[in-house]
Amino acid sequence: GENVEQHPSTLSVQEGDSAVIKCTYSDSASNYFPWYKQELGKGPQLIIDIRSNVGEKKDQRIAVTLNKTAKHFSLHITETQPEDSAVYFCAASNPLGGQNFVFGPGTRLSVLP
Amino acid sequence: EAEVAQSPRYKITEKSQAVAFWCDPISGHATLYWYRQILGQGPELLVQFQDESVVDDSQLPKDRFSAERLKGVDSTLKIQPAELGDSAMYLCASSPAGLARPYEQYFGPGTRLTVT
Repeated sequence: GENVEQHPSTLSVQEGDSAVIKCTYSDSASNYFPWYKQELGKGPQLIIDIRSNVGEKKDQRIAVTLNKTAKHFSLHITETQPEDSAVYFCAASNPLGGQNFVFGPGTRLSVLP
Repeated sequence: EAEVAQSPRYKITEKSQAVAFWCDPISGHATLYWYRQILGQGPELLVQFQDESVVDDSQLPKDRFSAERLKGVDSTLKIQPAELGDSAMYLCASSPAGLARPYEQYFGPGTRLTVT
């Protein structure tokens, strides 16, 4: 089955700097890769996703890149703000192939003012 | 903005007792998921419904866990009897699409279960 690894487990950056979180997956059939942000005491919130037919997607300060050959994808947050502090999860899936979301273990991001 | 509703938000129960969680998905979402999230880890799928039918319950501990979605709308997850290792966040998510499309999942706020 699918296995998703995520690094780093914790990340601290200064406000205004960029943050990068990386994930690798094992199943080459995976074709949908969402990223979720989870604040304390809340459920995960979808922030961006990418499908296997594109290599990069951007939404304001957030971008995701996908390298299918290497089976890894990354979340990039630019101009970080204190409200970006949260736990971020990546996931991989292949819904057409009956593979539901497999989540990474999460990255705790702290943005220091 | 439509949201997934869950109740209760917090539940403390003694081991060997029964406990139930309720989820109301976003209106019109045919697919509903129950996840378990242990502290410090990512969510793990327990069961997936398409309308009222179970699509995937391969990770559901069926000796003690049960889930239903009788009318294809809201859903209940039950644990009987609860064990100490069941302490976790139980998350419900819903998705607008059917089985054949890779769609987004929208999560509710979760139910934090503590078994003593």
